[in-house]
Amino acid sequence: DQQVKQNSPSLSVQEGRISILNCDYTNSMFDYFLWYKKYPAEGPTFLISISSIKDKNEDGRFTVFLNKSAKHLSLHIVPSQPGDSAVYFCAAGLAGGTSYGKLTFGQGTILTVHP
Amino acid sequence: EAQVTQNPRYLITVTGKKLTVTCSQNMNHEYMSWYRQDPGLGLRQIYYSMNVEVTDKGDVPEGYKVSRKEKRNFPLILESPSPNQTSLYFCASSFYSGVKVGQFFGPGTRLTVL
Repeated sequence: DQQVKQNSPSLSVQEGRISILNCDYTNSMFDYFLWYKKYPAEGPTFLISISSIKDKNEDGRFTVFLNKSAKHLSLHIVPSQPGDSAVYFCAAGLAGGTSYGKLTFGQGTILTVHP
Repeated sequence: EAQVTQNPRYLITVTGKKLTVTCSQNMNHEYMSWYRQDPGLGLRQIYYSMNVEVTDKGDVPEGYKVSRKEKRNFPLILESPSPNQTSLYFCASSFYSGVKVGQFFGPGTRLTVL
């Protein structure tokens, strides 16, 4: 049962344009969501997170939007840069008690930003 | 520098030979986790730990053991490795503070079991 899904295996955008990466989930109990970027031969790099009580969180060029009714979140990168080319993972987790620390990841989306 | 370190980075071993992958973090985080990454499957959590001496199973714990005797260290133990445990392994440490949450990964350990 894939509770967190990234249905687009890849995305290609032009430098300077907006990149929109999508993630869907099935468990309405998730309390927080995270986005990561991963380059080959490196560990994932934490980008941005959002609590389920919010619908938007911004950090520089990165904005995450959460639509709880649709069980959907998206990561917007504006403007996109060639150095953003990487695999992007979304993840979801539960808060409270012993649930903290248990994360479920999507399969990842390969973003390619063309100069 | 805040970081998560893993050793070894690369390991080739044979079926049944016990091995340990070490993980250490210097950020004083309470939460630590182990993941494996396989093609087409993304990252799957093996075990996680909420604090010293407190661990719990993730999504794919079979064939693995962990221990958390100190806050900074969270070793992954394969008592009898099998070829289906050939994978890329990541250790991570996390913080949770109200609505703020973050997780930091180590560089990865590529394990091949022959």
